[in-house]
Amino acid sequence: DGGITQSPKYLFRKEGQNVTLSCEQNLNHDAMYWYRQDPGQGLRLIYYSQIVNDFQKGDIAEGYSVSREKKESFPLTVTSAQKNPTAFYLCASSNRDSGYEQYFGPGTRLTVT
Amino acid sequence: GQNIDQPTEMTATEGAIVQINCTYQTSGFNGLFWYQQHAGEAPTFLSYNVLDGLEEKGRFSSFLSRSKGYSYLLLKELQMKDSASYLCAVARSNDYKLSFGAGTTVTVRA
Repeated sequence: DGGITQSPKYLFRKEGQNVTLSCEQNLNHDAMYWYRQDPGQGLRLIYYSQIVNDFQKGDIAEGYSVSREKKESFPLTVTSAQKNPTAFYLCASSNRDSGYEQYFGPGTRLTVT
Repeated sequence: GQNIDQPTEMTATEGAIVQINCTYQTSGFNGLFWYQQHAGEAPTFLSYNVLDGLEEKGRFSSFLSRSKGYSYLLLKELQMKDSASYLCAVARSNDYKLSFGAGTTVTVRA
């Protein structure tokens, strides 16, 4: 089955620690995205990548970093510089051939205490 | 930039109809999406409009007017499982990115 996987579903970390969220897709999509969602708010774009070895900052990139070494993988690191890291993180992918529709992974809920 | 507005909450009775409006202002336009998101889950695709008019898909329909910067999602014969957040998202014409509204939480009551 083609799709996007994110792991783990729930993640707990202590303040001051970096944490990496995984995102893998087997849809052969060129573009991948990371969003953050807070209660009562829409999706805000953190980083996106349109092609391997290239990525751009979204609207709220501060305190986050990404890499795109493989087409199918787009991990997100939440660094200790991110002031409010507790949130629901969603990864998505899309392809020009499928229009602009984005396919989402199940999400990772990160709690930092 | 993007400015996408939709109501925060709506409540309706099982079997009724609800219309969720979305207005947008955008530099460049390449279509408007509606997604459904149940609490704690990923958004799932409902509809895509790029031309003016109404697209019907079962109990759900979506309408677009590009000149007015306006869309609506119509949910008919509401069921309890339709209780969810509905996200309006606009695609710009020059890249792959979508800009999302804050979402409308629909509560269906028996």
